[in-house]
Amino acid sequence: DAGVTQSPTHLIKTRGQQVTLRCSPKSGHDTVSWYQQALGQGPQFIFQYYEEEERQRGNFPDRFSGHQFPNYSSELNVNALLLGDSALYLCASSLGAGFSTDTQYFGPGTRLTVL
Amino acid sequence: DQQVKQNSPSLSVQEGRISILNCDYTNSMFDYFLWYKKYPAEGPTFLISISSIKDKNEDGRFTVFLNKSAKHLSLHIVPSQPGDSAVYFCAASARDNYGQNFVFGPGTRLSVLP
Repeated sequence: DAGVTQSPTHLIKTRGQQVTLRCSPKSGHDTVSWYQQALGQGPQFIFQYYEEEERQRGNFPDRFSGHQFPNYSSELNVNALLLGDSALYLCASSLGAGFSTDTQYFGPGTRLTVL
Repeated sequence: DQQVKQNSPSLSVQEGRISILNCDYTNSMFDYFLWYKKYPAEGPTFLISISSIKDKNEDGRFTVFLNKSAKHLSLHIVPSQPGDSAVYFCAASARDNYGQNFVFGPGTRLSVLP
């Protein structure tokens, strides 16, 4: 049973550039959430996708956008990169927005470095 | 404003003893709580959860206790093993009309000494 996978593993960009990160959810899951984890902090919720729509959004600017495909995989796009965007980006999957006790399963993350 | 707090950044425990990790939350709407373990260069791994209708949940060496009136939960690991050395995150969840949102604490680094 494949778990959550993310690509790429590492990425180096310069300020002002744009980046796309990818995530495939755990088999059987249909909901994908994205988190940003800065060094020494817990994961911060960016947004959640279910049925190809953004369902929830955290306190992140519009430079952060996403997409979910019919196969439930997802992309996170960040435009106009800032130095402060350097972080580990985590994707988590879960089953359905209709459950009250969803458990999220995380991928290994993409380490983004902005120079 | 941190809604989920883990006030101990680190904890050291002798192998075989009990590890107790604490978590406090401020939002009374949270109704589901989870603990995750994270090794370096890996994503967080789900460990154990508890619903707000319970005050205790046990899974092998791991037990989570929830005190709703104090808005406090704790994770007990008995007995602690060197392989338990990792960063532990507490997370809380609330449902609204739009779905479910998870809020994580900053983590506690547990070191189990042989």
